[in-house]
Amino acid sequence: DAKTTQPNSMESNEEEPVHLPCNHSTISGTDYIHWYRQLPSQGPEYVIHGLTSNVNNRMASLAIAEDRKSSTLILHRATLRDAAVYYCILRALMYSGGGADGLTFGKGTHLIIQP
Amino acid sequence: KAGVTQTPRYLIKTRGQQVTLSCSPISGHRSVSWYQQTPGQGLQFLFEYFSETQRNKGNFPGRFSGRQFSNSRSEMNVSTLELGDSALYLCASQIQGDTGELFFGEGSRLTVL
Repeated sequence: DAKTTQPNSMESNEEEPVHLPCNHSTISGTDYIHWYRQLPSQGPEYVIHGLTSNVNNRMASLAIAEDRKSSTLILHRATLRDAAVYYCILRALMYSGGGADGLTFGKGTHLIIQP
Repeated sequence: KAGVTQTPRYLIKTRGQQVTLSCSPISGHRSVSWYQQTPGQGLQFLFEYFSETQRNKGNFPGRFSGRQFSNSRSEMNVSTLELGDSALYLCASQIQGDTGELFFGEGSRLTVL
């Protein structure tokens, strides 16, 4: 499986933007880039995913490098509720009918938000 | 819309026993996958079921098994429990098992004594 590399932890101030980096230099052409986050005592929560183009949703933006070897999750205005472990994951399309393999979680980035 | 429901939330077993965990996916979701989370190994993929068939499997021993019913509900079973099986077991559902969003439950916390 292609691996991802993320910083162990990052700290940011409330109401400021946060840029969470992820390196995936061995990404293959069929790998989608997914981001999940996990708050304490909860299951992981989907944040965003993309293949080649930058993506935006109500939670965050995903900026994907042109060579796809790195990506950045952007939280535009961090709140205390965004404090969590953020996982960058590659997920391959396995089946022509639409199936995919399981997610391979790394250690993730522990995001600390200071009030 | 109800989320993914896992039962029981907490349970304690002793070594050598077996355990069955249950997962009810979001209505309309046909893919269910299971993950094990421990402090040392993090989140690890166990297996995925789609339309009652195991479609993909992680690197776990045969003591870990699962099944999916016609209503998409899923169960996982761990036989001959070991201390190292103490973990949070998470279930996730998806509409059909493509590369889109996974919805996770809150997990079943298993403690093996």
